[in-house]
Amino acid sequence: DTGVSQDPRHKITKRGQNVTFRCDPISEHNRLYWYRQTLGQGPEFLTYFQNEAQLEKSRLLSDRFSAERPKGSFSTLEIQRTEQGDSAMYLCASSWGQGSLASYNEQFFGPGTRLTVL
Amino acid sequence: AQSVSQHNHHVILSEAASLELGCNYSYGGTVNLFWYVQYPGQHLQLLLKYFSGDPLVKGIKGFEAEFIKSKFSFNLRKPSVQWSDTAEYFCAVNPGWGKLQFGAGTQVVVTP
Repeated sequence: DTGVSQDPRHKITKRGQNVTFRCDPISEHNRLYWYRQTLGQGPEFLTYFQNEAQLEKSRLLSDRFSAERPKGSFSTLEIQRTEQGDSAMYLCASSWGQGSLASYNEQFFGPGTRLTVL
Repeated sequence: AQSVSQHNHHVILSEAASLELGCNYSYGGTVNLFWYVQYPGQHLQLLLKYFSGDPLVKGIKGFEAEFIKSKFSFNLRKPSVQWSDTAEYFCAVNPGWGKLQFGAGTQVVVTP
């Protein structure tokens, strides 16, 4: 399968613990996005990378959240000192594009990581 | 505030019925518009998209959508649904530079 993959698929943690999620995009895609989805809502944008550069972060992304894409390939999303409100599905997507041309290219989504904070 | 609104959260209909899902957005200027679908147990996948040209766009599985600029709308339609169209449908707007803003989604259930 050459689609977007995410690991783990499920994570249960206790409040206050740190968690890290990984996303492997489609190999030729230069853009990688993180979204968060809670029950009954559509995905909400968190951050995105073009190659290894993090180009935008949502105001939703508190300082407990950090994302990296060190070599422009896979990405990690870390949440420090988790809170119950962090419980959600974390989605990764990838696409190809440069500048404004990227705005109409399809984003391919992974299966998500479901985080439950007890 | 910039937003994407989907009018119905749940729709239940019978096979062969027609489907129309509403989507309105509140961005000014040029936007790119998308409908994504999530079938039970599967990833989000693209149904169709609009960025310029003919405002009536056709997507996969017999779906189409019409962009009406004056109404800031991008409604999704299918003339005759099948049981396999049971899914959650998301309208999304890309106002530029790549990120998507999604509506809350519409859960569609098609009964045999």
